[in-house]
Amino acid sequence: AQTVTQSQPEMSVQEAETVTLSCTYDTSESDYYLFWYKQPPSRQMILVIRQEAYKQQNATENRFSVNFQKAAKSFSLKISDSQLGDAAMYFCALGTQGAQKLVFGQGTRLTINP
Amino acid sequence: GAGVSQSPRYKVAKRGQDVALRCDPISGHVSLFWYQQALGQGPEFLTYFQNEAQLDKSGLPSDRFFAERPEGSVSTLKIQRTQQEDSAVYLCASSPMGAQSGIQYFGAGTRLSVL
Repeated sequence: AQTVTQSQPEMSVQEAETVTLSCTYDTSESDYYLFWYKQPPSRQMILVIRQEAYKQQNATENRFSVNFQKAAKSFSLKISDSQLGDAAMYFCALGTQGAQKLVFGQGTRLTINP
Repeated sequence: GAGVSQSPRYKVAKRGQDVALRCDPISGHVSLFWYQQALGQGPEFLTYFQNEAQLDKSGLPSDRFFAERPEGSVSTLKIQRTQQEDSAVYLCASSPMGAQSGIQYFGAGTRLSVL
């Protein structure tokens, strides 16, 4: 069985500062993907960043980057130069080739202080 | 369409009523998923289709929940005899066939409130 744990229900950061959201996961699969999705109040889940487990290099998308520690089963998201539009719920998710479905964490609500 | 479309956006049902929620996936996407998201929680998997075949329905909470995708495109999630615990946001997602990325594209969901 796959599990995803986000231990920070809420986080806040000053605009233009950097914040890191934590995520740990568990799976017995060797081939899997990890994702961070953003869910604003509109409810639309938006993909922020994706990491393939076989890749050692950490994924980066503009101001968003991850710290993927495969042995520790840790997958944190770093947001640099935080902007007001980054305020949302952030979900960490795990997907495997075998199961197809995504398993989500409980989410972290990120607030950006102006 | 440009993205995954779900309707209605909001649905209020009296306990015991049947409801039907619709999902229009991105054109050409073979895989379709339904998730249930309770208030303040992460989405939880309900069921998965590849074309018209329902390959995994392990997440459906009871036999009151039924999903179909008869022509391999539009899907409907039906809930019979709704209960208050069915109140949640129902999210639909689609993915192209053979996508090695595993990325799923989500709709904005249907918020179901059972009174």
